[in-house]
Amino acid sequence: SQQGEEDPQALSIQEGENATMNCSYKTSINNLQWYRQNSGRGLVHLILIRSNEREKHSGRLRVTLDTSKKSSSLLITASRAADTASYFCATDSYGGSQGNLIFGKGTKLSVKP
Amino acid sequence: DVKVTQSSRYLVKRTGEKVFLECVQDMDHENMFWYRQDPGLGLRLIYFSYDVKMKEKGDIPEGYSVSREKKERFSLILESASTNQTSMYLCASSSPRGEDEQFFGPGTRLTVL
Repeated sequence: SQQGEEDPQALSIQEGENATMNCSYKTSINNLQWYRQNSGRGLVHLILIRSNEREKHSGRLRVTLDTSKKSSSLLITASRAADTASYFCATDSYGGSQGNLIFGKGTKLSVKP
Repeated sequence: DVKVTQSSRYLVKRTGEKVFLECVQDMDHENMFWYRQDPGLGLRLIYFSYDVKMKEKGDIPEGYSVSREKKERFSLILESASTNQTSMYLCASSSPRGEDEQFFGPGTRLTVL
């Protein structure tokens, strides 16, 4: 079952620009996570935001969460060519199986030098 | 440095063969997961395990089985491989003592001819 849905599916920007990706979900959550996947590799955890948090920062990453709209956004500032990857949001399910995450289909980000 | 390893990066098998995909984690995690990833479909959960000898079906268990005889090792078995099982297979682990962050292996790209 698909919980998170990312938007846009693909995003192409120039180095130095900011990149914004959005995620919508359907059910109540305890937390929402963002992951990055370089081409042909496994996923790497970037940041987690709890349901009682509205905004969180980590380096050049900024994540917001709006539980009333069931949506989140990931902002990458001053993008670099090395940020080229696919980005996935993942949600747990409040009251659901412990440890299980539901991943969206991802946003493919291309940062041109 | 925490690590999840998978037995092969690339694997080519023939239709009808029995296929074993091995995953090992060195983080003493209780939870382990097997996903498949296909273009346009995102990550789909095949099976997961919360403890040794314990397994639960995910969203798409048909055609697969799993084995967890030791805490650090979680095996995915394709009893009789079919061409529609050609995919990228990702293993992950997490701890119930954490916040559900999952650590992923590098993936196995399986081609069934």
